[in-house]
Order: sequence, then structure tokens, then C-alpha cells
Amino acid sequence: ETGVTQTPRHLVMGMTNKKSLKCEQHLGHNAMYWYKQSAKKPLELMFVYNFKEQTENNSVPSRFSPECPNSSHLFLHLHTLQPEDSALYLCASSQGDNEQFFGPGTRLTVL
Amino acid sequence: GQSLEQPSEVTAVEGAIVQINCTYQTSGFYGLSWYQQHDGGAPTFLSYNALDGLEETGRFSSFLSRSDSYGYLLLQELQMKDSASYFCAVRDEGGGFKTIFGAGTRLFVKA
Repeated sequence: ETGVTQTPRHLVMGMTNKKSLKCEQHLGHNAMYWYKQSAKKPLELMFVYNFKEQTENNSVPSRFSPECPNSSHLFLHLHTLQPEDSALYLCASSQGDNEQFFGPGTRLTVL
Repeated sequence: GQSLEQPSEVTAVEGAIVQINCTYQTSGFYGLSWYQQHDGGAPTFLSYNALDGLEETGRFSSFLSRSDSYGYLLLQELQMKDSASYFCAVRDEGGGFKTIFGAGTRLFVKA
């Protein structure tokens, strides 16, 4: 595997479910990001981790819980989501504050 | 608030030149980046400007004027494969890794 990978690629969940999104980067980068992409809206930065430490939490609701066990892996734990949380969730990584490399995203639908 | 403004759609013909503008209003500024995203794909990095002036990379060029809080992406010799969404993004100086994205410009290239 190369670059940034994300699993699953598609996820449908009910509002009472608990699920997790996984991101892995094989680039040796130190920073990892979660973004939310909704139709016709800017990418919204959710969380940033630098060397496993969270450096940004962009006022994200607590129903989204990130986890970064090491510089190569990033998780987004989801629970009691709302239909408006349906979106494409993108993971990215960077070396320092240089260009970001994005994964293919997880298309999430909340019923 | 912090915002980046760019046109929602642009249409051009193959072989032509197109310019996508971006104006920004952010609390800090650490550089303007451009990303390309094809339908169903991940955003990919195109260019970065930290200083005023023009940066050229093959058919793509990017310009920045910090005094005008303005930049643009110039695409020359358009090809059908250039049909995609283009996002400008500003690295927030105060946030370190915090990146603010525009809503994207959808470019349609016609034969």
C-alpha cells in the first residue's frame, strides 16, 4: 500500500449505531488530519494530530471522537450521529506544514 | 469570520486558458495552496504560494498578491482531463496546521 488509505470506503449507519473510520498513511509523515466534505461546501477541518498529539479541534461535536495511536494511524469513532452528518470524510497527512496528501475518503450515510 | 471566495463554476473549451480566482479573509496567512479533485477522487496538491508573484508548474501556474488578499490558478492548454473541482486553501498562521479551504470551483472543459 502506498499513500493514504481509508476504510471503509462506504458506510451506512443508523443514528444509534457506533462505528469507526480508519486512516493509514505510508508516507512517513508526522501530521494527520480529518476533514468533512459536504456538497457545495468548503472542506471543513475537524481534527489535526502532530506526532500523535491533537493540535486542532475545530469545535467538532462530541459524537465524533478521534484517536491517533501513532503517526501512521488515525481513527474517527462515531456514535449517535445525525442525518446532517452524512458526508464524505477525508483523511490527510503532511510532513510538517507542507502539502497535504489525501486519502480517497469514506462516504458516510446516516439514516 | 474567516472565508475564501472563489467562483462556483467555470466553463472553457479544450486548448483554451482559464483563470480561477480566490480572495481570502483570514486572521492569519501562511500561504495559499491549490488542490484539484476529480469526481469520486481525493483532493491532490497542485501548487503553493507563500510570497507574491507567479509560480509555474507545467501547464498550471499560480499567482499571489498578499496586499490584495488575492490569488489565482491559471490553467493553460486545457484538456478534457482537467475537468474537476479546484480548491484554494490558506494555512492559518496562528494555527500551525490549521487549513481553511474555499468551497471549490467546478471546471467544465468542453470539446
